[in-house]
Amino acid sequence: QVQLQESGPGLVEPSQTLSLTCTVSGGSVSSGDYYWAWIRQPPGKGLEWIGYINFRGSAYYNPSLKSRITISIDTSENHFSLKLTSVTAPDTAMYYCARNYGSGSYSWYFDLWGRGTLVTVSS
Amino acid sequence: QSVLTQPPSVSGAPGQRVTISCTGNSSNIGAGYDVHWYQQLPGTAPKLLIYGNTNRPSGVPDRVSGSKSGTSASLAITGLRAEDEADYYCQSYDTSLTAFVFGGGTKVTVL
Repeated sequence: QVQLQESGPGLVEPSQTLSLTCTVSGGSVSSGDYYWAWIRQPPGKGLEWIGYINFRGSAYYNPSLKSRITISIDTSENHFSLKLTSVTAPDTAMYYCARNYGSGSYSWYFDLWGRGTLVTVSS
Repeated sequence: QSVLTQPPSVSGAPGQRVTISCTGNSSNIGAGYDVHWYQQLPGTAPKLLIYGNTNRPSGVPDRVSGSKSGTSASLAITGLRAEDEADYYCQSYDTSLTAFVFGGGTKVTVL
């Protein structure tokens, strides 16, 4: 079955760039049926959508984070990535990658999630 | 402050029924966007529980159900079991924010 696995540094210094990769196994990021998303969850808090990308490289970002985010996709490596610049303590969170499926024009949901990776922003 | 409003917590005895509300507005649920629900067991990633307001993915028991009306949605769990203790999140799309939005989460406690 399809599985997603996040990877990247668990500690990032303030003002630096957070970089994570999500590797997809058992399936292909080139599938036209899905978008590939990043979602985060600060400790003890709720979920926040960061952004997503499709196999063509069309990316859409949460406007609240847009100025600091870049999401990219590598179909040859079957993974997609997140870069978040100028991080500060509030960016400390569990970062999840997820698969987004759209069923019609008014229904998009995250049907598959990675286990998540905790990123702490600290010097 | 989440765009979608959920009660922070609900509780019930084993076997009882609990419901979780998710209240939005005319830019999200009221605009016709579907509501989806996720279950997050302690220390694990969220898992899709209900999609398209009322549909259960394979493997989700039929004692879990969802509904939507107007600018709100609800998740119901009947025959409550210890394994249902978890955080539950609703999710939709907001056309004003142009973003996917989540509720703040509801912690279900089995007494």
